[in-house]
Amino acid sequence: DQQVKQNSPSLSVQEGRISILNCDYTNSMFDYFLWYKKYPAEGPTFLISISSIKDKNEDGRFTVFLNKSAKHLSLHIVPSQPGDSAVYFCAAKTGTASKLTFGTGTRLQVTL
Amino acid sequence: DAGVTQSPTHLIKTRGQHVTLRCSPISGHKSVSWYQQVLGQGPQFIFQYYEKEERGRGNFPDRFSARQFPNYSSELNVNALLLGDSALYLCASIQSTMNTEAFFGQGTRLTVV
Repeated sequence: DQQVKQNSPSLSVQEGRISILNCDYTNSMFDYFLWYKKYPAEGPTFLISISSIKDKNEDGRFTVFLNKSAKHLSLHIVPSQPGDSAVYFCAAKTGTASKLTFGTGTRLQVTL
Repeated sequence: DAGVTQSPTHLIKTRGQHVTLRCSPISGHKSVSWYQQVLGQGPQFIFQYYEKEERGRGNFPDRFSARQFPNYSSELNVNALLLGDSALYLCASIQSTMNTEAFFGQGTRLTVV
């Protein structure tokens, strides 16, 4: 049972444009959501997070939007840069539990 | 400060053997979690330890076990290795159970032949 879903396995965006990565979840108990970026041969790197009491969180070029009624969140990267090319994972957790439930990832390629 | 360190980085084992993977969390972090990532999938939660006690366990067989030491480092042990255990094993470091961001090591790539 995939509780966190990233339905787009890959995304290609031109440098300077906006990248939008999407994530859906089914477990209504999730109350904290995180995005991680992963390069080959490295561990996931934390990018940005959002609590379920908010609908938007921004950090530089990265903005995460949360739509609780739709159980959907998205990561916007503006402007996209070639160094953003990586696999992006959406993850969710419940309360104070440390367990993260990950999606399957979306491979972003930013082209020149 | 050093980040999360895992050893070894790569490992090849034969079916039926046993393996021990090691993790040192970020200095000051008291919680360690282990994840398994198979190709094409997201990381799957295996264990969480906090203050040397198991605080969570994922849906993995009893062949998987772990422990945390007084210095907060951790070991993941897998017995009777199967081909399907081939994966990237990730260790995550969290400051305390009240914190939300987990910081990952580079992982150990285990290949079972």
